[in-house]
Amino acid sequence: AQSVAQPEDQVNVAEGNPLTVKCTYSVSGNPYLFWYVQYPNRGLQFLLKYITGDNLVKGSYGFEAEFNKSQTSFHLKKPSALVSDSALYFCAVRDPRGSSNTGKLIFGQGTTLQVKP
Amino acid sequence: KAGVTQTPRYLIKTRGQQVTLSCSPISGHRSVSWYQQTPGQGLQFLFEYFSETQRNKGNFPGRFSGRQFSNSRSEMNVSTLELGDSALYLCASSPGNSASGGSYNEQFFGPGTRLTVL
Repeated sequence: AQSVAQPEDQVNVAEGNPLTVKCTYSVSGNPYLFWYVQYPNRGLQFLLKYITGDNLVKGSYGFEAEFNKSQTSFHLKKPSALVSDSALYFCAVRDPRGSSNTGKLIFGQGTTLQVKP
Repeated sequence: KAGVTQTPRYLIKTRGQQVTLSCSPISGHRSVSWYQQTPGQGLQFLFEYFSETQRNKGNFPGRFSGRQFSNSRSEMNVSTLELGDSALYLCASSPGNSASGGSYNEQFFGPGTRLTVL
């Protein structure tokens, strides 16, 4: 069965420091991986995705993520955190095999990022 | 382009009632997916519609149903509401227009409908 794990409920970082939000996945074959961010009382905003190719993916707002197939990980990173980055972050996976999985994302439990001034 | 819109934004219902939520996807998007978000269970996939057909379904009871219209707008219905149905219901759209379903497309989410069941 497909699954996504975000091992940290909360990550605290000081403004200006680098941040990492961790994600590991379990999918047979080659997964499609996504990161989303959710601000209070808002829907999810797409940050970036990995489909194929370069393992380092760059996305919106200075975020990037590194796909590591051997460790089945897709950690979200940013070189310098901003207070405005404080939000709830979700990692998601889609099994690309078969048309029945096209619109279905499996989400991790989410990680709250707190960036302190 | 306008984003995904969901109506209403907030709903309060009582146990046993039924509710209908509406979602208008981004213009040109033909795939609409629905998710339930709760503090305990997180984000869970309900179902996906593409070209008026349910293409995928999550593990929810039959009280949860949906449909899609020819203009790609979608509705979901929950009958015989239970307290545990209180949640944020999110709709997401994507192009989903290739033969394989375009599964590499990211989904664009609406702001959600907050349902409270009393």
